[in-house]
Amino acid sequence: DVKVTQSSRYLVKRTGEKVFLECVQDMDHENMFWYRQDPGLGLRLIYFSYDVKMKEKGDIPEGYSVSREKKERFSLILESASTNQTSMYLCASSLEGGIETQYFGPGTRLLVL
Amino acid sequence: AQKVTQAQTEISVVEKEDVTLDCVYETRDTTYYLFWYKQPPSGELVFLIRRNSFDEQNEISGRYSWNFQKSTSSFNFTITASQVVDSAVYFCALSDSTGGSQGNLIFGKGTKLSVKP
Repeated sequence: DVKVTQSSRYLVKRTGEKVFLECVQDMDHENMFWYRQDPGLGLRLIYFSYDVKMKEKGDIPEGYSVSREKKERFSLILESASTNQTSMYLCASSLEGGIETQYFGPGTRLLVL
Repeated sequence: AQKVTQAQTEISVVEKEDVTLDCVYETRDTTYYLFWYKQPPSGELVFLIRRNSFDEQNEISGRYSWNFQKSTSSFNFTITASQVVDSAVYFCALSDSTGGSQGNLIFGKGTKLSVKP
């Protein structure tokens, strides 16, 4: 069964803190994605990775970085959290090649105070 | 440029009513894929269906059905005899070659469906 997990469902951080959001998939998928979801704006792609140690910027990468040291794990890093990064963060994974279905994790609701 | 429009922001129906969620897309590619996802209040996006641009056959899965019409660039989703458990935000998404081999998705802004008992 398809499984994408995220390290936290809810997270509260303070402005300026370094924040790590972890995502793990057990489907041996090559591609992994990070999105943020905001009311009225829908889902927007932050970063994606198509292989270990590879990363590509999405539509809104500013203020974020990512790390993919192992195939199953994709981390989103907020180097210095700001209040405008309060959002719902969703991780997804898919097989390589062509246009494969993305499977999503449960999401992390991040509040930056 | 690719674009997905879900013009209905919110829909409210009474249980057992049929409801159709609209999705209109824009792409210059001849090969593309369309998706529907469901996001219940818990937050997780649940995959419902994927269709490619060469398959215009309508699809039915239980109470769910999808109508794909290339002539109008639409991929509408109908729930028959709606139930309270259908209450969720529904997203339509598009993936084409401009998304690269990774198949990046372009999402519509979603339609919030409320089914009242």
